[in-house]
This record gives sequence, C-alpha cells and structure tokens, in this order.
Amino acid sequence: QAVLTQPSSLSASPGASASLTCTLRSGINVTTHTIYWYQQKPGSPPQYLLRYKSDSKNQQGSGVPSRFSGSKDASANAGILLISGLQSEDEADYHCMIWHNSGCVFGGGTKLTVL
Amino acid sequence: QVQLQGSGPGLVKPSQTLSLTCTVSGASISSGAYYWTWIRQHPGKGLEYIGYIYYTGNSYYNPSLKSRVSISMDTSKNQFSLKVNSVTAADTAVYYCASGDTSGWSLDYWGQGTLVTVSS
Repeated sequence: QAVLTQPSSLSASPGASASLTCTLRSGINVTTHTIYWYQQKPGSPPQYLLRYKSDSKNQQGSGVPSRFSGSKDASANAGILLISGLQSEDEADYHCMIWHNSGCVFGGGTKLTVL
Repeated sequence: QVQLQGSGPGLVKPSQTLSLTCTVSGASISSGAYYWTWIRQHPGKGLEYIGYIYYTGNSYYNPSLKSRVSISMDTSKNQFSLKVNSVTAADTAVYYCASGDTSGWSLDYWGQGTLVTVSS
C-alpha cells in the first residue's frame, strides 16, 4: 500500500470549490505530519503551494492566493487541499508530500480539470 | 531568490551511469539554511524522491534507489550533483533538482527539469 494516496482525477466547475484529498497509509498518523502541496502544470516543474500541520502551524507559499488552503480530516487520516473560487488557470496536477523516515514521499498526484 | 539550473546528457545507454549537475544561484550551498534534493518524474507519472544533501555533505537517499545513487556537492562551483549507476529503461524520467529552507522543509525552488532517456 502506498504511503500517500490521492484520487487520480477530479473535475469541478469554474467558481466552485474543489477538495483534494491525500490519504496516509494506515499506521502513519496525519495529526503528527505536515502535509505539503504542490501544483504542476504541463511542461513545468512543480510549484510549492502551502504546508499544513494545524491551524496554527501552516504556511502559504510566496505569492499563492488565499483561495488555496489546507486542512486535515483526522477521522479519514487525510490531508486536504481546498481550492475555492476555481479558475481555469487552476487546472493542473496537484501533488501532496510528507517527510517520512528521513525522506520525502509523494502521492501519485490528482489531475484537476476545471470545466 | 534561489535559482536552480540542471544540466547533463539527455541520453544515456543502458548499464551506464547517469550524471546530472545542478548549479545554484542566489544562495550558497554551504549555507545551513537550505537543503538540496533530486526528484524525478517518470513520463505521465507522479513525483519520486531520489535523495538530498545537506550543507554538511551528509546525504540521504530513497531506500528503493540507495544502492545505485549518490549525491555530492562542489562548494567551489556552488553545485550539487546526482549519479545513478547501472541505469535501465526504468530510469527514463525528467530529473528535477529542487531545494528548500530547513525551517519548514518545503521544496520552494525547482530547476526546469532535465529529460533523461535511457536507450541504446
């Protein structure tokens, strides 16, 4: 079982909100980990969006709009990236990451389509 | 602003060694404020962590690749490098150098990526 699991794809309408999940493998507790989120558009490297550990321990990447935010669902053992007021430019792949056992681990990525 | 520029051959023969270099500007790789990583992305797939090196010269690797990879640094050139030994077609990927500050351990800065194809 992968350390981090993300849905492969998600579609949402312009102006709506999208909730992207990153589920941690059983035995790895989301409450003790910082979840990092990256956005990647075709042909470009990933771009850091934000990190979230708790409401008091989170950071927005430089220049990242406030409509991108992080949270957790402890009952689902998952990190969440919420994008509100979706715009066409938000169409991209989104990768989550944690530091685990002295190395970073990525989820498989979610392709977000805005249509 | 930290900037990273990766460079190296785009084609490597099977069983040979893949070698890439990342040139850093805007920060010193000798600074303890940053760490320096290599990440790869197979065509159409997700991101895979390869390893990172710290200003002390200590390096840390993905256990699945550890036996074949090494990361080193050249402080005189402000560069860090990746070597992957005994490559196969499965090593065909876009290789990114990336870095972040050690206060938050996010990967804030990325190179443009180098596509490396393993083929005879």
